[in-house]
Amino acid sequence: TQLLEQSPQFLSIQEGENLTVYCNSSSVFSSLQWYRQEPGEGPVLLVTVVTGGEVKKLKRLTFQFGDARKDSSLHITAAQPGDTGLYLCADQGGSEKLVFGKGTKLTVNP
Amino acid sequence: NAGVMQNPRHLVRRRGQEARLRCSPMKGHSHVYWYRQLPEEGLKFMVYLQKENIIDESGMPKERFSAEFPKEGPSILRIQQVVRGDSAAYFCASSRARDYRYFGPGTRLTVT
Repeated sequence: TQLLEQSPQFLSIQEGENLTVYCNSSSVFSSLQWYRQEPGEGPVLLVTVVTGGEVKKLKRLTFQFGDARKDSSLHITAAQPGDTGLYLCADQGGSEKLVFGKGTKLTVNP
Repeated sequence: NAGVMQNPRHLVRRRGQEARLRCSPMKGHSHVYWYRQLPEEGLKFMVYLQKENIIDESGMPKERFSAEFPKEGPSILRIQQVVRGDSAAYFCASSRARDYRYFGPGTRLTVT
């Protein structure tokens, strides 16, 4: 059974700071997805990465996929209070089951 | 185009009662997935349904839990004789085909 480990579990920073969160898999990712979940809401897909070494940018968010396709990072530049939420990584393997990590709970203080 | 709708958003049940959670997929979506999120845990897959068919229920507890997605109407996740350990947030997601899933806002079930 694939296990996704995310670190850190909790992160509290001030507005304007940069941060990086990580996702590591016990096996090679098939299709890595990053989600953000705001309190009281469902997860919203941010990005999908498939190719080892791939880098994708979404405004202030930069997603990197490791060459071996077993790890990924999400870097946020100049964090804003609106970035507060639970960041989840997930893998969609060959089946229909998305496997999720436990997430990194980010709090950006004004 | 309305998103995935779930109701109720909050549900309180006493131990031993039944809980019925409803999920209306996005228009045109015939694939529905249910996930459970326990406190401090990630989302865990429960069941995948297409109209009138259960495709994969490998994540569903063998007892007390059932799911359906009838030809007409919402998908229903039913939990019989709830216990405190069933307290969690239950999310459904829908997709048009086997592609991107849109998640609903969830139902928070509290068992007292």
